Amino acid sequence: DTGVSQDPRHKITKRGQNVTFRCDPISEHNRLYWYRQTLGQGPEFLTYFQNEAQLEKSRLLSDRFSAERPKGSFSTLEIQRTEQGDSAMYLCASSLVTSQARRGYTFGSGTRLTVV
Amino acid sequence: AQSVTQLDSHVSVSEGTPVLLRCNYSSSYSPSLFWYVQHPNKGLQLLLKYTSAATLVKGINGFEAEFKKSETSFHLTKPSAHMSDAAEYFCVVSDQKDYGGSQGNLIFGKGTKLSVKP
Repeated sequence: DTGVSQDPRHKITKRGQNVTFRCDPISEHNRLYWYRQTLGQGPEFLTYFQNEAQLEKSRLLSDRFSAERPKGSFSTLEIQRTEQGDSAMYLCASSLVTSQARRGYTFGSGTRLTVV
Repeated sequence: AQSVTQLDSHVSVSEGTPVLLRCNYSSSYSPSLFWYVQHPNKGLQLLLKYTSAATLVKGINGFEAEFKKSETSFHLTKPSAHMSDAAEYFCVVSDQKDYGGSQGNLIFGKGTKLSVKP
């Protein structure tokens, strides 16, 4: 168990460019969550997957944002036409929820996005 | 709807003195509550969780929190602060009735920055 991995750790991009982040959850975990944390605030929920199905999206997730988890393992979060307001730390977390077992949330270290 | 309010944005203590970080919650049912810690450039780490068992919850690194329904509070305490405790602390509630602390979307407070003076 190597924990939740996120890549890259830091990303600087120019306004208007597209960016993509990757999250590798703990291998046995079936749920994967994305959160966004802006400076001086607590993390805010964006979306989550159970296996490959995206089950919930926050109103914070505008149509410029898209998340996928194609094989129920790693996930990607893409932001199109980035804006300065997208500058934040993007956090990924995973958990296990089945009828037989539950394992609590584990967060990754995050990807810090700076839009210039 | 569930929410948490952290009453102090910044708390400063001297090493060896007690720590108190205050949190009030709002929930339409008996909540699942958590405290997380975030050190600079590191991921969020779970300190402790309350999921309707004992009201006094012990966590890692000597922290504990007491669930008080009558006061809708879940304050975090530690008897003696250590320099390594300096970090950002988040009080968190789950948006679902969650017995294991494993599901539901987490609703975070705005955080309390703890500074520890030598």
